[in-house]
Amino acid sequence: KAGVTQTPRYLIKTRGQQVTLSCSPISGHRSVSWYQQTPGQGLQFLFEYFSETQRNKGNFPGRFSGRQFSNSRSEMNVSTLELGDSALYLCASSLSGEYNYGYTFGSGTRLTVV
Amino acid sequence: DQQVKQNSPSLSVQEGRISILNCDYTNSMFDYFLWYKKYPAEGPTFLISISSIKDKNEDGRFTVFLNKSAKHLSLHIVPSQPGDSAVYFCAASGRYQGGSEKLVFGKGTKLTVNP
Repeated sequence: KAGVTQTPRYLIKTRGQQVTLSCSPISGHRSVSWYQQTPGQGLQFLFEYFSETQRNKGNFPGRFSGRQFSNSRSEMNVSTLELGDSALYLCASSLSGEYNYGYTFGSGTRLTVV
Repeated sequence: DQQVKQNSPSLSVQEGRISILNCDYTNSMFDYFLWYKKYPAEGPTFLISISSIKDKNEDGRFTVFLNKSAKHLSLHIVPSQPGDSAVYFCAASGRYQGGSEKLVFGKGTKLTVNP
């Protein structure tokens, strides 16, 4: 079966712009979580969506937002981009948010802010 | 405040020997622990996990040990193979207010297995 698909794979944006990243979960999965990976901080949790509702949120500024659609696809948006937002953004999907099985990551979107 | 710590950014071992990756946590509410492996340009892939009610879980060459009193877990890879060279992330989860869970990751340890 198809895995978690993230688009685009690479993105270059200018400071001050906004960006939207997309994540298509594994078919049947209803939970989508987003993480930011940077060399100095490892993977940091952004937020989790389940059935179109944000269930949990990490410690990121309000410039980071997300949403989930009825088909479970999710998007995250970053407004007013800063140089420090350059990172690998990963999403993970699972049936209902459980971690003991079926929690699968996509390959990520590499965002570079210049 | 880093709740999951991997104090060794890198580790180098010889093929065939044991690799031991360590992880410490501070939050006593964590009740489930996982190890992920990540190659460059790919997302993390699940390796092995352990519930807080156990102190050991084994899967082939991979064994995870949990010492709850010390808030410490370790991943043992025996024997190590060159294909094991990757970044390994320790992660923990626990019930938060509202009933939902989230994964808290360490910063990762880069393992290099030399032929």
